[in-house]
Amino acid sequence: QVQLVQSGAEVKKPGASVKVSCKVSGYTLTHLTMHWVRQAPGKGLEWMGGFDPEYGETIYARKFQGRVTMTEDTSTDTAYMDLSRLTSDDTAVYFCATVDYGDYFAFDFWGQGTLVTVSS
Amino acid sequence: EVVLTQSPGTLSFSPGERATLSCRASQSISSRYLAWYQQKPGQAPRLLIYGTSSRATGIPDRFSGSGSGTDFTLTISRLEPEDFAVYYCQQYGRSPPFTFGPGTKVDIK
Repeated sequence: QVQLVQSGAEVKKPGASVKVSCKVSGYTLTHLTMHWVRQAPGKGLEWMGGFDPEYGETIYARKFQGRVTMTEDTSTDTAYMDLSRLTSDDTAVYFCATVDYGDYFAFDFWGQGTLVTVSS
Repeated sequence: EVVLTQSPGTLSFSPGERATLSCRASQSISSRYLAWYQQKPGQAPRLLIYGTSSRATGIPDRFSGSGSGTDFTLTISRLEPEDFAVYYCQQYGRSPPFTFGPGTKVDIK
């Protein structure tokens, strides 16, 4: 069973960057396609980006392009999401989640979420 | 970009009742690419339904999905106390590949 364990809550000032980690267990990261989804307080789910096997590269939602970088360390089975130039609008819970492109085309395993608070 | 609409935003039911939730797409999507999630407060979403009507692993059979084209439905045949939550539909496509509906909250009448 795939388990995703994320790093702890962060408080950042506007203009700073944040890096959230997502540790995989029960499987190897190289056999998973990892994505990131965020949820502002009291709001819905927003896809940020992830690995697209059709293109063979990580793709990002247009609104985050130039500001987000998603990486993977296969030696530790850990995925990372780095978001820069933070504003108060980036206050949200950030989830890592895997996508099954074979059958589901949906997010089948999720991390527990990491709250990022941006405040001066 | 495909926009998903879920209305109303909140539905109220009593335990044991049947709940029918709607998800409408701004353009036709393949039934293979429509999924539903349940989210409870403080928790990550949980995949319920994929491919419009297939239940994910471990999902009780009181949850079912149907639909095609632009109109999709999640039905909970008999609401259990643990089913009161927010439900999101999600589609897979292109540019962007993943979009979610705004969610429907199912609360207790």
